[in-house]
Amino acid sequence: TQLLEQSPQFLSIQEGENLTVYCNSSSVFSSLQWYRQEPGEGPVLLVTVVTGGEVKKLKRLTFQFGDARKDSSLHITAAQPGDTGLYLCAGDDDYKLSFGAGTTVTVRA
Amino acid sequence: GAGVSQSPSNKVTEKGKDVELRCDPISGHTALYWYRQRLGQGLEFLIYFQGNSAPDKSGLPSDRFSAERTGESVSTLTIQRTQQEDSAVYLCASSLGKYYDQETQYFGPGTRLLVL
Repeated sequence: TQLLEQSPQFLSIQEGENLTVYCNSSSVFSSLQWYRQEPGEGPVLLVTVVTGGEVKKLKRLTFQFGDARKDSSLHITAAQPGDTGLYLCAGDDDYKLSFGAGTTVTVRA
Repeated sequence: GAGVSQSPSNKVTEKGKDVELRCDPISGHTALYWYRQRLGQGLEFLIYFQGNSAPDKSGLPSDRFSAERTGESVSTLTIQRTQQEDSAVYLCASSLGKYYDQETQYFGPGTRLLVL
């Protein structure tokens, strides 16, 4: 099983601030996915990045996949309380997913 | 068009008892996955079904854990002689199962298991 490390583990910011979450691995993945999980719910897919160097934007969220396809970042601009949740990265390990431990993001109003 | 459903949503049991957790995948999804999420941790892969066969059971932590799937429908994860370390959220996901990789997995809300 390939290991994904996420940092930071916890992040608490004020509404309107920016934040970045990192996901790093020593192994190459064919694709990497970012999920958000809210309490009592399963993870919901935000984005899949496939190509090294790829950048994808989803409204105020920007996702980057490293050139070597071993690392990724999620940047949120002007965070809102609705962005609060557990952010998980997952590497595509054939048919199954290998998950990082997650970053708990809290956005204070 | 319902999503993945799981039951029960919460289960409290005593150490040593057996439990069954159920997953109803999205209709038409041939691939089904079970994951476990311990408190404060990411998801651990348990088992993968393609149709009713399980080509990968490598994530099952011990022989107390087993799973089966009826056709391309419901799956049941059974934990025998539960231990306190089995306490976790058990999540089920399904996907189309046609493209082997880079398929979107849709997750259910999970079953929260507490073993006293």
